[in-house]
Amino acid sequence: QVQLVQSGTEVKKPGASVKVSCKASGYTFTSHYMHWVRQAPGQGLEWMGIINPSGDSTNYAQKFQGRVIMTRDTSTSTVYMELSGLRSDDTAVYYCARDRDGSSVYAEYCMDVWGQGTTVTVSS
Amino acid sequence: DIQMTQSPSSLSASVGDRVTITCRASQIIDNYLNWYQHKPGTTPKLLIYAASSLQSGVPSRFSGSGSGTDFTLTISNLQPEDFASYYCQQSYNTRLTFGGGTKVEI
Repeated sequence: QVQLVQSGTEVKKPGASVKVSCKASGYTFTSHYMHWVRQAPGQGLEWMGIINPSGDSTNYAQKFQGRVIMTRDTSTSTVYMELSGLRSDDTAVYYCARDRDGSSVYAEYCMDVWGQGTTVTVSS
Repeated sequence: DIQMTQSPSSLSASVGDRVTITCRASQIIDNYLNWYQHKPGTTPKLLIYAASSLQSGVPSRFSGSGSGTDFTLTISNLQPEDFASYYCQQSYNTRLTFGGGTKVEI
């Protein structure tokens, strides 16, 4: 079955970086763009950006420009999200989520399968 | 960025009720509107895409409507497993944004 499995809980100090992984299985990895979305405690969902696993192109939310890098490894069907310059308000659950469109050349910006979430805590 | 405003932010309902959640976009987004359900400790679940299309496997008691700037999610015959938070999300442009969420409580 289609599955996205994320890496485990992270605890980081302010100013550090975190890299979260998301391993896909059960479908053709390069056919679907992948999004990253986060949810801070008590807050709503916040979109961070998207990567095309086929061509490695990315589109980041303006809020995270300069601080986030999304990459992929097609040999392991894994996408990565690295966030630098961590602050306490980056404490959140981070999700990868597959784009619903499976054409590999187009993203619908609608997410049909989600990873289990990775908790990132930023604290001194 | 397109602002998405949901109302109400929370509501109380009973099993069997009909519940309506509204979502308003700050500009016309045609039908590029999706709805998600999110329960604590679980992953968000796509319910409705393109404003009114039911995602595969989602019960038919969920329905969506609207176009332009105003949209609704309706849950008919509310079930115990439907108590959750619901989010709208616009996909009109590549700067994807979510609404603030509506928590449906018992």
